Amino acid sequence: EDQVTQSPEALRLQEGESSSLNCSYTVSGLRGLFWYRQDPGKGPEFLFTLYSAGEEKEKERLKATLTKKESFLHITAPKPEDSATYLCAVQPNQAGTALIFGKGTTLSVSS
Amino acid sequence: ETGVTQTPRHLVMGMTNKKSLKCEQHLGHNAMYWYKQSAKKPLELMFVYNFKEQTENNSVPSRFSPECPNSSHLFLHLHTLQPEDSALYLCASSQDSSFGMLYEQYFGPGTRLTVT
Repeated sequence: EDQVTQSPEALRLQEGESSSLNCSYTVSGLRGLFWYRQDPGKGPEFLFTLYSAGEEKEKERLKATLTKKESFLHITAPKPEDSATYLCAVQPNQAGTALIFGKGTTLSVSS
Repeated sequence: ETGVTQTPRHLVMGMTNKKSLKCEQHLGHNAMYWYKQSAKKPLELMFVYNFKEQTENNSVPSRFSPECPNSSHLFLHLHTLQPEDSALYLCASSQDSSFGMLYEQYFGPGTRLTVT
């Protein structure tokens, strides 16, 4: 069964304290992996798409990496405005378009 | 208006009511989606429309009825809902949803639905 697991469920950091969020996945074949950010009361905001193992993408303090089994979202020197829930989703390499989402990691950054 | 908009933002309805959720995308996309987001659960895909045609129905109960009159508008008609249907309903759009293509989905702010 296709599955996405995100860890930790919640993460508290001090401003400037770098860390990583994990997304491990089990799919029959991976067409792509997405990272989204969701603020309270809002819809998810697209961050990155990763297609193949070894790929990396960066945006400001965020860097996403992909291996054959998992993806990491590295947050360097986070600021309070980085506080949000980060969602990972995979699209299996099969007919249909359903994205399989993880439950998310809720990040809190305090100053 | 830009991006994906949804109305209403909040909705409280009784189990015998009929209501509709509206979604509009201003991105020129051809595919639209309805998702359900419940507390402590992953987003669940409900329906997919590609070029106004429904291409996926993820075993959703018939008390949820989608409608897509054109590529920019998507509705979710609700009737005789149950309290467990209370959730955040998210609309999304993407450039396409054809097999073999991979496009990121852009989400609206959601409608917070409470069924009493």
